[in-house]
Amino acid sequence: EVQLVESGGGLVQPGGSLRLSCAASRIIVSSNYMNWVRQAPGKGLEWVSVIYPGGSTFYADSVKGRFTISRDNSKNTLYLQMNSLRAEDTAVYYCAREVYHYMDVWGKGTTVTVSS
Amino acid sequence: DIQLTQSPSFLSASVGDRVTITCRASQGISTYLAWYQQKPGKAPKLLIHGASTLQSGVPSRFSGSGSGTEFTLTISSLQPEDCATYYCQQLDSYPPGNFGPGTKVDIK
Repeated sequence: EVQLVESGGGLVQPGGSLRLSCAASRIIVSSNYMNWVRQAPGKGLEWVSVIYPGGSTFYADSVKGRFTISRDNSKNTLYLQMNSLRAEDTAVYYCAREVYHYMDVWGKGTTVTVSS
Repeated sequence: DIQLTQSPSFLSASVGDRVTITCRASQGISTYLAWYQQKPGKAPKLLIHGASTLQSGVPSRFSGSGSGTEFTLTISSLQPEDCATYYCQQLDSYPPGNFGPGTKVDIK
């Protein structure tokens, strides 16, 4: 079964760091456009970051300079390193595969809460 | 960045009703528009891609149309299980792959 499973969420204090993981099954992470999308409580979907098969990375302005997307090809896993976390980063974080201009496979999400 | 708006933001309709949601882009995006359905506590689910192509496994009562700056998602006969929030997303000028603000659909 094609599957993405996120992990690594939790409660962190403002200014802290957290690394999210997205383990893929029957999807080769390194061969796909892999995204992170988040959803703050009661709010809509917000695109966060993407890594291209060639390794190029892009970020939403709201996280640029604080978040880093990466992948481990040997583990077939996508990551999101989040530093200098703020209360407004509180959200459910989803990883999603993008193919041909749409996101067809999504994980179930992992919850990040930034609070003191 | 391309901005998306959706209308209405909320709608309530009866079972069997025809329901239409509109998504407008701030500039032309050809047909690089996708629609997603999200139920509470769940991940988004792809319904439509390329503005009008139904994703495999999605009921045929869902359809999409449009190109350029105006797009519609239609549910031909609303069912109770269609209660959800619907989002459009553009992946023409990408990144970022902006989403619309969402339309919440409820059953009367």
